[in-house]
Amino acid sequence: GQQVMQIPQYQHVQEGEDFTTYCNSSTTLSNIQWYKQRPGGHPVFLIQLVKSGEVKKQKRLTFQFGEAKKNSSLHITATQTTDVGTYFCGAGGTSYGKLTFGQGTILTVHP
Amino acid sequence: NAGVTQTPKFQVLKTGQSMTLQCAQDMNHEYMSWYRQDPGMGLRLIHYSVGAGITDQGEVPNGYNVSRSTTEDFPLRLLSAAPSQTSVYFCASSLWTSRDTQYFGPGTRLTVL
Repeated sequence: GQQVMQIPQYQHVQEGEDFTTYCNSSTTLSNIQWYKQRPGGHPVFLIQLVKSGEVKKQKRLTFQFGEAKKNSSLHITATQTTDVGTYFCGAGGTSYGKLTFGQGTILTVHP
Repeated sequence: NAGVTQTPKFQVLKTGQSMTLQCAQDMNHEYMSWYRQDPGMGLRLIHYSVGAGITDQGEVPNGYNVSRSTTEDFPLRLLSAAPSQTSVYFCASSLWTSRDTQYFGPGTRLTVL
């Protein structure tokens, strides 16, 4: 089945530093979704990317979809303590039924 | 709208017991799914449904059953609980397919002794 690798598994940063998590697939993806899960909470949708080379921004968050549609990244500029949580990518393959998630990146922000 | 609701929030079972985790949504979503979350493993798809009467297996379906008799409800049944099924279970729904925004429920934390 489809596999999605997400790195790093953990990231510790000082408040104000930047953060990036990467999502990689061996197969071409139809779309990729990004979710954030606060500690003790449930995943919450952030954004979806569909087009090759697509770049979307949400305030300090920048999302990219690779040209070959096999990888994606989420970059946070100048992290804040409110950014703490686990960030997941969810990759859609050829099927409309299955969304495959990466292992997640746990972000800790030290004040 | 309550969104996606799950009951119970916490459950402790003994090995071999059976139980049903409940999931309901009031957004008239066609697509519903169940995931389990384990440390370092991310979210793994157990079963999903693209509409009432239609279900299919995900990555880790063994030991779990589902049915979808109504659009609103998608219960997950553990037939004979095992310690390996200790996990946090999330139900999610979306408008049509896995390619739409997924709305997750608050989760059920299950411990099997």
